[in-house]
Amino acid sequence: GAVVSQHPSRVICKSGTSVKIECRSLDFQATTMFWYRQFPKQSLMLMATSNEGSKATYEQGVEKDKFLINHASLTLSTLTVTSAHPEDSSFYICSARLGTVSYNEQFFGPGTRLTVL
Amino acid sequence: DAKTTQPTSMDCAEGRAANLPCNHSTISGNEYVYWYRQIHSQGPQYIIHGLKNNETNEMASLIITEDRKSSTLILPHATLRDTAVYYCIVRGMGTDKLIFGTGTRLQVFP
Repeated sequence: GAVVSQHPSRVICKSGTSVKIECRSLDFQATTMFWYRQFPKQSLMLMATSNEGSKATYEQGVEKDKFLINHASLTLSTLTVTSAHPEDSSFYICSARLGTVSYNEQFFGPGTRLTVL
Repeated sequence: DAKTTQPTSMDCAEGRAANLPCNHSTISGNEYVYWYRQIHSQGPQYIIHGLKNNETNEMASLIITEDRKSSTLILPHATLRDTAVYYCIVRGMGTDKLIFGTGTRLQVFP
């Protein structure tokens, strides 16, 4: 199957700093990628849809100025958590959709665990 | 997208078939049923999807009732590595969002 990678796998940072997480589709091009957040013992929550070459679409309640998304190429999307605080500590997961058809399956990255001290 | 209902947890003996049910009584004609699973601290893994016909691949089988109001994911010979949270998701043809519910926590025991 298609492979999606994330970097870093885990990061610990101080409160107030910014953290960038990369999501890459390794063996396919992805015009659309998605970012999710998962708190302990909870399900995945969709944060935003990232389209190559255009602005991301954020879900209701997600602060676009805090969670900056850039999708500059067909294989890379980045999520930057700006001025991170302890409540931003979570498991961040990206996915990439195969092809351009909206209902094609999505392939997920392994996730990035962010801990903000 | 239609809402799904799944049991919170299930157990299955290793080597036996694991049958995971999902109710989606409000599903509409152009909505697919997707199954993903998430092993602890990993990203979700695609398993299978279908519209109205039963589907089978190397991982599992998907049985969709004739009225499409429910479906069952079958893992024919469960192994310990199949222990995970299994998510049943209904998604329309016109949308690319996957909305995850709470899923079923499957525990496979020796």
